[in-house]
Amino acid sequence: QKEVEQDPGPLSVPEGAIVSLNCTYSNSAFQYFMWYRQYSRKGPELLMYTYSSGNKEDGRFTAQVDKSSKYISLFIRDSQPSDSATYLCAMRGQAGTALIFGKGTTLSVSS
Amino acid sequence: NAGVTQTPKFQVLKTGQSMTLQCAQDMNHNSMYWYRQDPGMGLRLIYYSASEGTTDKGEVPNGYNVSRLNKREFSLRLESAAPSQTSVYFCASSTHMNTEAFFGQGTRLTVV
Repeated sequence: QKEVEQDPGPLSVPEGAIVSLNCTYSNSAFQYFMWYRQYSRKGPELLMYTYSSGNKEDGRFTAQVDKSSKYISLFIRDSQPSDSATYLCAMRGQAGTALIFGKGTTLSVSS
Repeated sequence: NAGVTQTPKFQVLKTGQSMTLQCAQDMNHNSMYWYRQDPGMGLRLIYYSASEGTTDKGEVPNGYNVSRLNKREFSLRLESAAPSQTSVYFCASSTHMNTEAFFGQGTRLTVV
């Protein structure tokens, strides 16, 4: 079993839809959780960063972490065509360990 | 405000050739990383440098070497390129190992 599992999609939604992106993980030591967005032929850019369990909201984006279920989610409200990208979850354990990435989910938002 | 800069952006190599990918960051970050990204495989860590003067292997280090030249620069060397090393390579940096990483724009490498 891979440490981090992420459904690759692709996921296609109409403009304005609510999008839910998810990752599961197996390592209970993971404490720091991130979501990166990657446009085609570009480097990943950090979108959301959360520590331990709970929710974090930033504009149209909400990140949720459920450590008891080893499950993290990214919700995008009122999705826009500019949200079309690949979304990668990433996580790490204690200080001194490198980020482990999911394989990414490709999202397409049509106008 | 450059952030993380990688050179070159594109490269084609013949099997057996060597080359060095360069990476520099201007954010005064302590930690730097090299990842490769392949279709269906996601980002996989090749090597990382937690701080100036240290380097460690990641998930897929075979066929690569690295040098942390100074705090700003972290290079990745392919001594004898193989077609299996065809990939997009990303350099990243972070303040410390437990903070978020910032990525460069990538180097697209093809080995024929």
